[in-house]
Amino acid sequence: QSVLPQPPSASGTPGQRVTISCSGSSSNIGSNTVHWYQQLPGTAPKLLIYTNTQRPSGVPDRFSGSKSGTSASLAISGLQTEDEAYYYCAAWDDSLNGVVFGGGTRLTVL
Amino acid sequence: QLQLQESGPGLVEPSETLSLTCSVSGDSISSSGHYWGWIRQPPGKGLQWIGHIFYGGSTFYNPSLKSRVTISVDTSKNQFSLKLTSVTAADATLYYCARFRGVAAADYWGQGTLVTVSS
Repeated sequence: QSVLPQPPSASGTPGQRVTISCSGSSSNIGSNTVHWYQQLPGTAPKLLIYTNTQRPSGVPDRFSGSKSGTSASLAISGLQTEDEAYYYCAAWDDSLNGVVFGGGTRLTVL
Repeated sequence: QLQLQESGPGLVEPSETLSLTCSVSGDSISSSGHYWGWIRQPPGKGLQWIGHIFYGGSTFYNPSLKSRVTISVDTSKNQFSLKLTSVTAADATLYYCARFRGVAAADYWGQGTLVTVSS
């Protein structure tokens, strides 16, 4: 059981908008910033969103992040086939004094 | 262009020590002001943070691994290393090194190195 539960799967058709949730607690998301990673098959994870809403250079603005209380969400608009990947959330946890990851969500583009 | 590259034995015997090195190019570990660390991922499974180090400052380890883990820096080679003692089959997984933006956002990753634990 991950410290940051995520739905195991999500899906959408090209052009649709999909959201992936990440649930936490007061010791992690509730008091620290959330980051999102995209992992394409056979590759290392890539930082997609940092500090709740910020996109690193090169990440399309189709990807957006939000946080409210002890939960966070990743939204992908204008879904494309190349968005098929696993998505992980992460945050610092003050109780564990370390980084915690979500269990990951497998996104399928139908 | 910042690049990280893991290296080390791909096979470790049970109860022995796993040692991996991450070579960094395009940034200086000693002066960049970033944390440098390790994350692992069992094949087909999720990510687990192992720990990270800030040169000249703090080191943080995953509580579940803390008694067996050491992360250190070699500034002369611009490398940082992971040592994990008393390995078991549960430690057989893909290991990534990464640079952290702040304490939890890994913005650059190595390609990963697979470690097998077997006699």
